Amino acid sequence: QVQLQESGPGLVKPSQTLSLTCTVSSDSISSGGYHWSWIRQHPGMGLEWIGYIYYNGNTYYNPSLKSRVTISVDTSENQFSLKLSSVTAADTAVYYCARTNYYGSAGYYFDHWGQGTLVTVSS
Amino acid sequence: QSVLTQPPSVSGAPGQRVTISCTGSSSNIGAGYDVHWYQQLPGTAPKLLIYVNNNRPSGVSDRFSGSRSGTSASLAITGLQAEDEADYFCQSHDSSLSGNYVFGTGTKVTVL
Repeated sequence: QVQLQESGPGLVKPSQTLSLTCTVSSDSISSGGYHWSWIRQHPGMGLEWIGYIYYNGNTYYNPSLKSRVTISVDTSENQFSLKLSSVTAADTAVYYCARTNYYGSAGYYFDHWGQGTLVTVSS
Repeated sequence: QSVLTQPPSVSGAPGQRVTISCTGSSSNIGAGYDVHWYQQLPGTAPKLLIYVNNNRPSGVSDRFSGSRSGTSASLAITGLQAEDEADYFCQSHDSSLSGNYVFGTGTKVTVL
């Protein structure tokens, strides 16, 4: 059973860069069988897809966040990471990493999720 | 702001059947893109419940079923149980600039 675990600071100051890492176990990112996504959930609210990466480094981002987001992959460590720059209080959310199952044109769903990590943006 | 609209809440007594709607538009569900559903129990991460409109992952009860028609989709829960009390989200693809992989607004299911 694949497992994902987010890690990173729980508190980030406004205007700084949020950085999180997702460690994958019981599956290999480099196998190329899946994409790997970041998703966030604002307190008490819905879910927002941030972007995904493939093992070869190909990425695709939510257009509304694209200018501030960078997702990278380290296949040697079986990890992928999120950087979100110029954060504000509006970026306070629980951040999830998720394995992303691609099955055809525009067909994606998130079949395994990490437990999530709360990131608060505050001075 | 989500492009997929769900009722904020639905409720039912144990044993009853409840349905949750997911209303989209011609740029997402109406364009033929598939719908997936997630269950989020209190304090936990979302869990895949239904994929590609009406398929259940291994281990998901057959009390859960999905359907899609026109610009909307539905999740049905039959034989409602206390353990079904959770938030439910639909998800699809949107061809506009609204974010591509979009989630519904979410529905809280309460077991009376």
